[in-house]
Amino acid sequence: GQSLEQPSEVTAVEGAIVQINCTYQTSGFYGLSWYQQHDGGAPTFLSYNALDGLEETGRFSSFLSRSDSYGYLLLQELQMKDSASYFCAVYYGGATNKLIFGTGTLLAVQP
Amino acid sequence: GAVVSQHPSRVICKSGTSVKIECRSLDFQATTMFWYRQFPKQSLMLMATSNEGSKATYEQGVEKDKFLINHASLTLSTLTVTSAHPEDSSFYICSAKEVGETQYFGPGTRLLVL
Repeated sequence: GQSLEQPSEVTAVEGAIVQINCTYQTSGFYGLSWYQQHDGGAPTFLSYNALDGLEETGRFSSFLSRSDSYGYLLLQELQMKDSASYFCAVYYGGATNKLIFGTGTLLAVQP
Repeated sequence: GAVVSQHPSRVICKSGTSVKIECRSLDFQATTMFWYRQFPKQSLMLMATSNEGSKATYEQGVEKDKFLINHASLTLSTLTVTSAHPEDSSFYICSAKEVGETQYFGPGTRLLVL
């Protein structure tokens, strides 16, 4: 089956850098995505890695290593508004087009 | 960017009744729509994938007779929870996909079954 494991909670202070890890047991996917979800809201897309390596989008960067079955989301210059849940998700293209989400990480940014 | 809406945003119903949730793509044609369920403090669980004009594909463990999905047009998909029970209370989120790889998510519908 598919499984994507994330730490359940992470706490960091404003202005700091935080890394949220995602380890997975699945294969045959096109890429790894990251989504942010504020409480009671819709998931919003942050980043996507089709290839191994680092993708940088402003304060957010995401990394994928298929050989290590591992990825991470890096958030820099943390702001209070970054307090939210973060999910990794594998994208299966082809006929299914499915996104399967990880267990999720609740990030608390403290002043 | 692409916008997906859901209606209603929240609904309360009595046990045994059926509830219909609508998902609309407002500014694009969604050939594929997805329905997710999310329990408090948990992840999004994919329930089913629907392609316009064809039957939905349900994930393992999801009862297709209980969660009826219709995708009759390129901008509308509906999820009907039939004979709802308190354990069906959850946050239901749809997403829609046009050409390309990005899914756009709706704002979700919070269902409470009493």
